[in-house]
Amino acid sequence: KAGVTQTPRYLIKTRGQQVTLSCSPISGHRSVSWYQQTPGQGLQFLFEYFSETQRNKGNFPGRFSGRQFSNSRSEMNVSTLELGDSALYLCASSLDGQGSGYTFGSGTRLTVV
Amino acid sequence: AQSVTQLGSHVSVSEGALVLLRCNYSSSVPPYLFWYVQYPNQGLQLLLKYTTGATLVKGINGFEAEFKKSETSFHLTKPSAHMSDAAEYFCAVSVGTGANNLFFGTGTRLTVIP
Repeated sequence: KAGVTQTPRYLIKTRGQQVTLSCSPISGHRSVSWYQQTPGQGLQFLFEYFSETQRNKGNFPGRFSGRQFSNSRSEMNVSTLELGDSALYLCASSLDGQGSGYTFGSGTRLTVV
Repeated sequence: AQSVTQLGSHVSVSEGALVLLRCNYSSSVPPYLFWYVQYPNQGLQLLLKYTTGATLVKGINGFEAEFKKSETSFHLTKPSAHMSDAAEYFCAVSVGTGANNLFFGTGTRLTVIP
C-alpha cells in the first residue's frame, strides 16, 4: 500500500511570503502529525490532526497553521516566512495517533531566502 | 514532562562489530518508545517500537531494543554492523492517551568503518 506522500519535495521561498505544504497519509490512517527538523533544534512537533480536528499543538508561533480534510489529507501553512523557518518539514500518519506507531513521509525541504 | 536523551551524537563502529546506541527517557507515566532511522535526504523509517508486553523488541534490519523500566532506558543494539547501517538514529517517546505526539532525542549519527 502507498506510503505517506508529501508535496512538494523542495521549495524555495522569499522572506515574508507564505507557503503551503501538503501531506497525504496512508489509506485508512486518520491521524496526521507535522514535525519540523532543523540542525539546531532537531525534530520538533508542530501539530496533530485527527478526523479534521486539531488535537494537539506544539510550541510554535501562530504563523504556523494546519488543517485536515475529510479524506485525512492535511496541509500545513506558514505565513510571513522568516529565514529561521528553513527546515525539513515531516508529516507522519497513524491509525489513531497513539501506540500504533507513526509512518513518516520523505519530507518537504523548505528554504527561505 | 517527557524527554529523551541520546548519549553520543556520533558513534563509530567497525563493520561486523556490535552496534549500541543509547537512549534514556523521562516520563511520569508508562511510555511508548520508538527508534527511527533517517538516511540522507529522507524521512524517518521506523525500526522498532515498544508499547506493552515483552520488553525485548525486535525490529527490522537485525536491530533490537530492550525496555528497562528501572533504568528508564531503551538502548538499540545490533550484533553485527553492516555498511548500510550508516545513518542517523532517533529515539522517541510518546506518552498518554488521546492526542499524542513524539518527543525525539537529538539523534546519533552512526558511522560504519570498513
